[in-house]
Amino acid sequence: EDQVTQSPEALRLQEGESSSLNCSYTVSGLRGLFWYRQDPGKGPEFLFTLYSAGEEKEKERLKATLTKKESFLHITAPKPEDSATYLCAVHDPSGGSNYKLTFGKGTLLTVNP
Amino acid sequence: NAGVTQTPKFRILKIGQSMTLQCTQDMNHNYMYWYRQDPGMGLKLIYYSVGAGITDKGEVPNGYNVSRSTTEDFPLRLELAAPSQTSVYFCASSLGGLAGGTYEQYFGPGTRLTVT
Repeated sequence: EDQVTQSPEALRLQEGESSSLNCSYTVSGLRGLFWYRQDPGKGPEFLFTLYSAGEEKEKERLKATLTKKESFLHITAPKPEDSATYLCAVHDPSGGSNYKLTFGKGTLLTVNP
Repeated sequence: NAGVTQTPKFRILKIGQSMTLQCTQDMNHNYMYWYRQDPGMGLKLIYYSVGAGITDKGEVPNGYNVSRSTTEDFPLRLELAAPSQTSVYFCASSLGGLAGGTYEQYFGPGTRLTVT
């Protein structure tokens, strides 16, 4: 069964203190890896999709990278408004469902001013 | 554009009651999805639809039903509510499916449901 594991479960940073979130996965046929941001009481907001090892995507202070077994979400010089839960999801249609995303449990990021 | 809207925001049900969670999108998206999110767990797909009149089961469909009579609306029906259905429910939509290029899913704000 596909598994997606995110670490750490929670991360507390000072404003400006760069760090990385990890998403490791065990799937047999990765088609895409998705990163979402979720604010408290709201629905997930799409950030990035990565398709192949070595791919990188950037948006403001966030950069997502992908290897064959994991993805990292790097946060450079974070600000308090970056505080949120970051979700990772993988798309692996080899299990028979072309429409299923397997989500990790998320990393709760808190950035203190 | 309002995007994806869901009603109600909150609801408390007694065991055995039924209700319908409403979801509407105004982006003319073909694909729509229902997820549930339990505390400390990842989002789980309940049902999805690839277009009006076409629906299919996701990972956790038991206890739920859906219909898709229009492109815009994708209601989720709970029959005989049980405490195990206490969760936050999210509706999402995408222009295309995951196999295509326009796959990014836009989520609604969620419905927090408690069954007691």
